[in-house]
Amino acid sequence: EDKVVQSPLSLVVHEGDTVTLNCSYEVTNFRSLLWYKQEKKAPTFLFMLTSSGIEKKSGRLSSILDKKELFSILNITATQTGDSAIYLCAVLNFNKFYFGSGTKLNVKP
Amino acid sequence: NAGVTQTPKFQVLKTGQSMTLQCAQDMNHEYMSWYRQDPGMGLRLIHYSVGAGITDQGEVPNGYNVSRSTTEDFPLRLLSAAPSQTSVYFCASGKGAMGTEAFFGQGTRLTVV
Repeated sequence: EDKVVQSPLSLVVHEGDTVTLNCSYEVTNFRSLLWYKQEKKAPTFLFMLTSSGIEKKSGRLSSILDKKELFSILNITATQTGDSAIYLCAVLNFNKFYFGSGTKLNVKP
Repeated sequence: NAGVTQTPKFQVLKTGQSMTLQCAQDMNHEYMSWYRQDPGMGLRLIHYSVGAGITDQGEVPNGYNVSRSTTEDFPLRLLSAAPSQTSVYFCASGKGAMGTEAFFGQGTRLTVV
C-alpha cells in the first residue's frame, strides 16, 4: 500500500529558530516528491524534487531528497511568524498524488 | 490571473441530495484532480484526469463521479450525499508531466446533515 508519513505532526518554535520537517514514503513508480505550504486555504507549491542529493533552495527554505532511504526533509532557517502553517509532503506515483497528513508549524514571536 | 476556480465556496446538503462541485482552470493544464481534506488525514485523491475525455479513480472514489468534456472544466458530482462526505474539497490542476507543480483552487467546504 502506498503511503507518505510526515513527522512531527506538530511543532512549536520561536522566531529565529531553525526547523526540520520530515517526510518518508513507500510508493511504487516514484516520479517526484513535492512540498506545499497550507495556511488558511489552498496549499501553495514550494518545491518539487526528483533526484537524490540535489538541494532545492528558496530564501530561508530548502529541501533535499534521498531516494535510497525514501525520505525528504524540509528545512526552514531563521523562522518568522509568517512561516506558521501546515506543511504538506506529496509523492507522485506514476499519475496519482499521495499526501502525508502534514506538519503543523507554529512560530511564536 | 484566475488560475483554478472552484464553486461554491460553502455548501450544506441534506443526506440523499445530489450536487455538483465546479472546477475550472484557465492555464491549459492537461492534468486535473479532486481531493478531500479531513482533519488529521491530509489530502486524499478522489478522481483525476490526464486530459479531456480521460478520467480515473484515486484513493477514495466511492460516492463521487467526474467527467472531463473540455480541458478547462472538471466537475465533481455527489450522487447521494452522506454525512461521511462532509469535508473540504480541493480541485487542482498541473503543468508538466503528470500534474507536477499542482495549482489548487480555494476549496469548497461541504457539510452533509
